[in-house]
Amino acid sequence: DAGITQSPRHKVTETGTPVTLRCHQTENHRYMYWYRQDPGHGLRLIHYSYGVKDTDKGEVSDGYSVSRSKTEDFLLTLESATSSQTSVYFCAISEGTNYEQYFGPGTRLTVT
Amino acid sequence: SQQGEEDPQALSIQEGENATMNCSYKTSINNLQWYRQNSGRGLVHLILIRSNEREKHSGRLRVTLDTSKKSSSLLITASRAADTASYFCATDAVTGAQKLVFGQGTRLTINP
Repeated sequence: DAGITQSPRHKVTETGTPVTLRCHQTENHRYMYWYRQDPGHGLRLIHYSYGVKDTDKGEVSDGYSVSRSKTEDFLLTLESATSSQTSVYFCAISEGTNYEQYFGPGTRLTVT
Repeated sequence: SQQGEEDPQALSIQEGENATMNCSYKTSINNLQWYRQNSGRGLVHLILIRSNEREKHSGRLRVTLDTSKKSSSLLITASRAADTASYFCATDAVTGAQKLVFGQGTRLTINP
């Protein structure tokens, strides 16, 4: 987990409230990714970024938005949280798909 | 839909035995990667094998890739209790998009 942190690590929120998760890296890697992990579904890509202000959708992007205003920070926002967004969220960084991804420790989000 | 699918979903063996996990994928790839995830932690990269490689070794790990069958296998030799974890394969796609698609994982349990 060195070089990549996520905050908060745990969060409980109510349905309908906005939530922002933060991923911070100190490795200066170009690519940053947000995944969610759910039992029976493995790891699914939500959004990714290929540079400052450059982002693209992943497999399960509905209900999520992202922003990257600095190389080191990638924010994931749930505009109006729903119970189906209860999950563990992982951030990852890399220099591209020819290289390994480094994962953060994860954020456990519970939407009640 | 998942690009990579691991088989078996769960595997339980005795310490010292070898463990083999398989991954199948659907589209042409540039490379395939294997990751390990200990309970409650982020994924950790194990090995990357490129599409022009057939076999790769790293310590007690042996990975094979058969692009004609769109499949890969991960062999862990002389297993240890510390190898207990979930193992995921991940593939890119020959599209230029810098993202990986992960399978659902194999849960490996090493019994002492």
